[in-house]
Amino acid sequence: NAGVTQTPKFQVLKTGQSMTLQCAQDMNHNSMYWYRQDPGMGLRLIYYSASEGTTDKGEVPNGYNVSRLNKREFSLRLESAAPSQTSVYFCASSEGVLLSGANVLTFGAGSRLTVL
Amino acid sequence: KQEVTQIPAALSVPEGENLVLNCSFTDSAIYNLQWFRQDPGKGLTSLLLIQSSQREQTSGRLNASLDKSSGRSTLYIAASQPGDSATYLCAVKGSNYQLIWGAGTKLIIKP
Repeated sequence: NAGVTQTPKFQVLKTGQSMTLQCAQDMNHNSMYWYRQDPGMGLRLIYYSASEGTTDKGEVPNGYNVSRLNKREFSLRLESAAPSQTSVYFCASSEGVLLSGANVLTFGAGSRLTVL
Repeated sequence: KQEVTQIPAALSVPEGENLVLNCSFTDSAIYNLQWFRQDPGKGLTSLLLIQSSQREQTSGRLNASLDKSSGRSTLYIAASQPGDSATYLCAVKGSNYQLIWGAGTKLIIKP
């Protein structure tokens, strides 16, 4: 099915380990986003990429890095995982740039990360 | 700073009832407001979007209203069904175009 695909769906890390969450979309969308969702809180934007070749910080970027590999793929890397990064991570994409007026976001199924 | 609140955090009702989910926001200078549905193990799906100039939007059994002056939106679900069980989130796009999300209301429809 067309849409946003995230891998892995589940991951358990030890404190200090690194990992990369992968995201790919096949809708030819220009903009891609990484959010985290924590219990009792709304989604918070980590990083976004308005277009291929550009990335910008969102609300909670500390401890993360991103790479817009090409128009389809946007990865999120945790260089040295901490327990505070235990969360559910969502990748999303939009045709236009959300921050300039586009409204339709398509989300992946989420990646549940636990850091021990 | 815009804050979005959804109360209650969880709601359980018998099948067939009409129900209302609430979303409140602190800054009335919004661009639009959206309601999303989140199913376990799946991504979020947009249900309804209300522009700041609109008062309500309808899709099937769903009706969303917006009252900017009071900082409130409601999502009305008519004739609820077990398949409506999910977490419902609202998100406000402010004048700076940032999306601010509520924590969601987990809805359980009992057969």
